[in-house]
Amino acid sequence: QVQLVESGGGVVQPGESLRLSCAASGFTFSAYGMHWVRQAPGKGLDWVAVISNDGNKKYYEDSVKGRFTISRDNSMKTVYLQMNSLRIEDTAVYYCVKDRWGGNFEYFDYWGQGTLVTVSS
Amino acid sequence: EIVMTQSPATLSLSPGERATLSCRASQSVGSNLAWYQLKPGQAPRLLIYRASTRATGIPATFSGTGSGTEFTLTISSLQSEDFAVYYCQQYDNWPPWTFGQGTKVEIK
Repeated sequence: QVQLVESGGGVVQPGESLRLSCAASGFTFSAYGMHWVRQAPGKGLDWVAVISNDGNKKYYEDSVKGRFTISRDNSMKTVYLQMNSLRIEDTAVYYCVKDRWGGNFEYFDYWGQGTLVTVSS
Repeated sequence: EIVMTQSPATLSLSPGERATLSCRASQSVGSNLAWYQLKPGQAPRLLIYRASTRATGIPATFSGTGSGTEFTLTISSLQSEDFAVYYCQQYDNWPPWTFGQGTKVEIK
């Protein structure tokens, strides 16, 4: 069965960096796009970033452009989110999410359980 | 950016009752609308895609209708495990993919 396991969350100070990882199993990882979605405490879901199956297409939500970088290693079946210049408002549970498609994008068919990132001084 | 608006924010119902959740898009998204269920401590789950197609393993008590800008998720008879928060999402015009603010279905 499809499994997505996030890691790398933690507590950091404003301006610091963190790298999230998501280990995938149970499907042909190299065939599908992958997203990161976050949920701030007490708030709704916000899409953060997406990467195509081959890594050639990447898109970001406006507030993270220039600070966050999504990447993937198909040989390791892992997707990453490098988060730099973190802000207090980046505090959230970050979910790794599988897209239904590969070269293009559509809806999200599987989600991980999430990893908590707390940015606090 | 397409803005998704859900109503009501909270629905207080008893087990066995029918739940009707609404979702409105700021512009037409065709049938490119999905519904997700979130429970504390669990991975979110896809319920419905293409506005009305149930995802794998989703019981027939869940149904989705609508197209264009108006959508509805109906839970025909609430089971204990259905009390959760539900989000609609459009995937017609991206980036960004946008979600509604959620409807919490709670036990009355």
